[in-house]
Amino acid sequence: DGGITQSPKYLFRKEGQNVTLSCEQNLNHDAMYWYRQDPGQGLRLIYYSQIVNDFQKGDIAEGYSVSREKKESFPLTVTSAQKNPTAFYLCASSMGQRGNQPQHFGDGTRLSIL
Amino acid sequence: AQSVTQLDSHVSVSEGTPVLLRCNYSSSYSPSLFWYVQHPNKGLQLLLKYTSAATLVKGINGFEAEFKKSETSFHLTKPSAHMSDAAEYFCVVRPPNTGNQFYFGTGTSLTVIP
Repeated sequence: DGGITQSPKYLFRKEGQNVTLSCEQNLNHDAMYWYRQDPGQGLRLIYYSQIVNDFQKGDIAEGYSVSREKKESFPLTVTSAQKNPTAFYLCASSMGQRGNQPQHFGDGTRLSIL
Repeated sequence: AQSVTQLDSHVSVSEGTPVLLRCNYSSSYSPSLFWYVQHPNKGLQLLLKYTSAATLVKGINGFEAEFKKSETSFHLTKPSAHMSDAAEYFCVVRPPNTGNQFYFGTGTSLTVIP
């Protein structure tokens, strides 16, 4: 089945540590996105990528970094500069500018501070 | 500027009664519109989408939504609520010609009372 796989499901970070969240899709989608969700709140865009080797900052990019070396993969690194990283992180993909297609979402990674 | 307003942060209904979740949008042009559902600790699942075809859109699990351009609304309805409908619901707008930008409402939490 085609879809988006996020791993791990739960992740713990120590102070001063960088951690990387994985996002892989086999939908052959051009665009990929990372969102942060805090309790009782909506989704906030961290980064998005429309094509390989290109990405743009979203609304809350500070303290995060991404790469897009392959079409299928869009990992997110939460750096030590992100002082409040505890949240639920969602990865999504879409077909890009063709048509009016929706986003498809992974099942999320919950990041907590140790 | 694009924006999405979900008029109710919480909605509570009795099982078997109708559901109405309200969404208004602002967009210079007719956008694509989507409703997603999110169960706890899960990703977002697409319920339905409007992409300038029929104004009444039918989705999964008995949900439907009506696009009303004059009111800039895209309210989600279901004739009879089921316990399994209890979740968070998000209205999402994708304006035309803005690349791959999606704009999210802040969500509506639906409680179903047995």
